[in-house]
Amino acid sequence: DAKTTQPPSMDCAEGRAANLPCNHSTISGNEYVYWYRQIHSQGPQYIIHGLKNNETNEMASLIITEDRKSSTLILPHATLRDTAVYYCIVRVKGAAGNKLTFGGGTRVLVKP
Amino acid sequence: DAGVIQSPRHEVTEMGQEVTLRCKPISGHDYLFWYRQTMMRGLELLIYFNNNVPIDDSGMPEDRFSAKMPNASFSTLKIQPSEPRDSAVYFCASSRLAGVLEQFFGPGTRLTVL
Repeated sequence: DAKTTQPPSMDCAEGRAANLPCNHSTISGNEYVYWYRQIHSQGPQYIIHGLKNNETNEMASLIITEDRKSSTLILPHATLRDTAVYYCIVRVKGAAGNKLTFGGGTRVLVKP
Repeated sequence: DAGVIQSPRHEVTEMGQEVTLRCKPISGHDYLFWYRQTMMRGLELLIYFNNNVPIDDSGMPEDRFSAKMPNASFSTLKIQPSEPRDSAVYFCASSRLAGVLEQFFGPGTRLTVL
């Protein structure tokens, strides 16, 4: 699986959009970008994933650059409950590549 | 569905004792994963099963660790004998074979080995 690089931490104001970057310059054509988050003392939680098109769901939006070497997770209106560690993971989608390799993630602190 | 269920939620034991962690995956899920999380090493995959068969155990740290999945609704992770460096939070997760392949994590078991 391609390695990802994320900033170790960032702060965000409550009610504002949080933009979380992720670099994955060695991503392969069949690798997807997945985002998970881990709220303190809980298990990780799936947020969103994508291949090359931008994706949106009820939790967040995922913007993938045209060359697919980087992506941004957007939390449109951050709340205090969004304080968590956010993990960007790149992996092949399918039975043979069902493993998740977690890096250090970005520790996001949403401030009132 | 109740989600992934793990027991116990907390376990405190003494060095040398056997520890058994339990997991009940979400019904209908084909994959089951065991992870360990520590401050030093982060979140690591230990082993995963597909249809109750171990597929990849390369993350199991040593022979003191063993995992079984006797049926589709139950798995155990055993440490024998336990050591203080095994202190960590152990997560179980499950997922389907097809579709999004998102993994659903349990609440974890916090293990402390004295």
